[in-house]
Amino acid sequence: DADVTQTPRNRITKTGKRIMLECSQTKGHDRMYWYRQDPGLGLRLIYYSFDVKDINKGEISDGYSVSRQAQAKFSLSLESAIPNQTALYFCATSDPLQAGRKTQYFGPGTRLLVL
Amino acid sequence: DQQVKQNSPSLSVQEGRISILNCDYTNSMFDYFLWYKKYPAEGPTFLISISSIKDKNEDGRFTVFLNKSAKHLSLHIVPSQPGDSAVYFCAASGQTGANNLFFGTGTRLTVIP
Repeated sequence: DADVTQTPRNRITKTGKRIMLECSQTKGHDRMYWYRQDPGLGLRLIYYSFDVKDINKGEISDGYSVSRQAQAKFSLSLESAIPNQTALYFCATSDPLQAGRKTQYFGPGTRLLVL
Repeated sequence: DQQVKQNSPSLSVQEGRISILNCDYTNSMFDYFLWYKKYPAEGPTFLISISSIKDKNEDGRFTVFLNKSAKHLSLHIVPSQPGDSAVYFCAASGQTGANNLFFGTGTRLTVIP
């Protein structure tokens, strides 16, 4: 089984709708991240969490919110989806105590289309 | 402002030859660099990394070279195999506690059998 899973894998929604993307991990890592990838661009950080009580904004947090329900779960919400949020979304984890502590491990991604 | 740049969107190489993927960065505070490989419909997979205290790190067919004065790193794959065909992302991390990664735009490598 995959260490980092994301649901759904694909989602089509309409402008103005609220949607939630979910991420779960079995790696036991404290740190979790949400990124988006747009065509021709690299991954950009939306939010990150060092533990259940620690949530931080990334480079492009406007229009998004997150919830860290447990060490293993980190959800990303689009409160009112807009077409320019159409992108590929990735969740990632890392363990700062591990050798190669800056290495992040990614889920398979969620492809989101906002009409 | 793109702090990590991969100026070649694509690269084609014959099987068995060397593939060289390049990456430049602008932030002198970056102290750790990583390469990720991404296949279609999958998430990025960690490939190899290098700390700024080193100038070379090798793992099997993959070697990363770091030139701090030029703010440049490269990934060498030798010999290249068709299974290496993927998009390769360069990423960098700074000295802050957040350890957040900054990604390049990726280079699509095609290894021709």
